[in-house]
Amino acid sequence: QQQVKQSPQSLIVQKGGIPIINCAYENTAFDYFPWYQQFPGKGPALLIAIRPDVSEKKEGRFTISFNKSAKQFSLHIMDSQPGDSATYFCAAHAGNNRKLIWGLGTSLAVNP
Amino acid sequence: NAGVMQNPRHLVRRRGQEARLRCSPMKGHSHVYWYRQLPEEGLKFMVYLQKENIIDESGMPKERFSAEFPKEGPSILRIQQVVRGDSAAYFCASSPSNAYEQYFGPGTRLTVT
Repeated sequence: QQQVKQSPQSLIVQKGGIPIINCAYENTAFDYFPWYQQFPGKGPALLIAIRPDVSEKKEGRFTISFNKSAKQFSLHIMDSQPGDSATYFCAAHAGNNRKLIWGLGTSLAVNP
Repeated sequence: NAGVMQNPRHLVRRRGQEARLRCSPMKGHSHVYWYRQLPEEGLKFMVYLQKENIIDESGMPKERFSAEFPKEGPSILRIQQVVRGDSAAYFCASSPSNAYEQYFGPGTRLTVT
């Protein structure tokens, strides 16, 4: 049973476009929702994270939208660039239980 | 400030041998986590440790796998009698005691032949 469901599996956009990656969760005890970026052969890099007490958070070109009632959150990448081509993972954990539960990832390609 | 360090970056073992993976957390971080990633999949939690304590090992296979984070030195993930199914990328992450953010190392890619 996948506790964090991520979609789409892959995504292709043109430079300057706004890719949107979605995640849904079931466990209402989750209270921390990070997004990670991973390039081939590298470790995941923390991009941005949100807690359920806010509906939106922006850091640079990355924005998380959070819908607590729907148990969904999404990542938007503004003005996407070819250098953003990577795999993006959403994750979640619950309170003091710090193990991150991961989505299966979205492979993003930004064409020049 | 150096990031999370893992070594070796690549490790090849024959079936039945032992694999030892090392992780040095970021300076000032006292929490360490190990995750496993299979090709084309997300990461799976294995174990969460603080200095000299295993906090949560619910993701660790019951046999052949063990982890430690001694008072001095790096955290070690040990896999005894490796099998082909252990081939994966193993990532270590660390966090400070008062924050949720986990920062990842570059991983160790284990290949069992």
